[in-house]
Amino acid sequence: QSVLTQPPSVSAAPGQKVTISCSGSSSDIGNNYVSWYQQLPGTAPRLLIYDNNKRPSGIPDRFSGSKSGTSATLGITGLQTGDEADYYCGTWDTSLRRVFGTGTKVTVV
Amino acid sequence: EVQLLESGGGLVQPGGSLRLSCVASKFTFSYYAMSWVRQAPGKGLEWVSAISASGGNTHYAGSVMGRFTISRDNPQNTLYLQMDSLSAEDTAVYYCARENWNQVDYWGQGTLVSVSS
Repeated sequence: QSVLTQPPSVSAAPGQKVTISCSGSSSDIGNNYVSWYQQLPGTAPRLLIYDNNKRPSGIPDRFSGSKSGTSATLGITGLQTGDEADYYCGTWDTSLRRVFGTGTKVTVV
Repeated sequence: EVQLLESGGGLVQPGGSLRLSCVASKFTFSYYAMSWVRQAPGKGLEWVSAISASGGNTHYAGSVMGRFTISRDNPQNTLYLQMDSLSAEDTAVYYCARENWNQVDYWGQGTLVSVSS
């Protein structure tokens, strides 16, 4: 079962921007939409971005997503202390198995 | 607001079995595929299994194939995960998740499964 590759951690000062990469293959990201999930400490994940770049109702436009080929990127602008969390990308693979990224911890320094 | 409430977790000995349940509410359960996703302590998310809206199609991660069985009871709005031949590697929080086309759009709060002697 494939796993999507993310950087273990990223950090920035309040108000700054961070980007999180998600690298896959033609068997997963290359042929499917990507979603992103935020997991605050001690809580269940929640949907942040779907269909590569769409935001569910209630998600601020500080969060954005993009996809190119077999990679995807999550961007967070105007970083806030409340954004400190783990972030995961996800998609389906061609064997109809859901795959998640390795996860990235965002720290506001 | 969609609600997913898991239950059935607990401490089980290696080689033992456990059945998880997830009761869904505030949406038409029979319209949606569902998944189980787990998270070992301090680790990332791992998809375990998915089932189609009707229950006619199921998919499993290689790590649980042949040991876990996903099922659903649409009239009772309930999703299940039967887990057999459990090992320490199955220790995790198990989340019930609603599939909505290309993404999981709602997650339960999770139930902890601990496998230890």
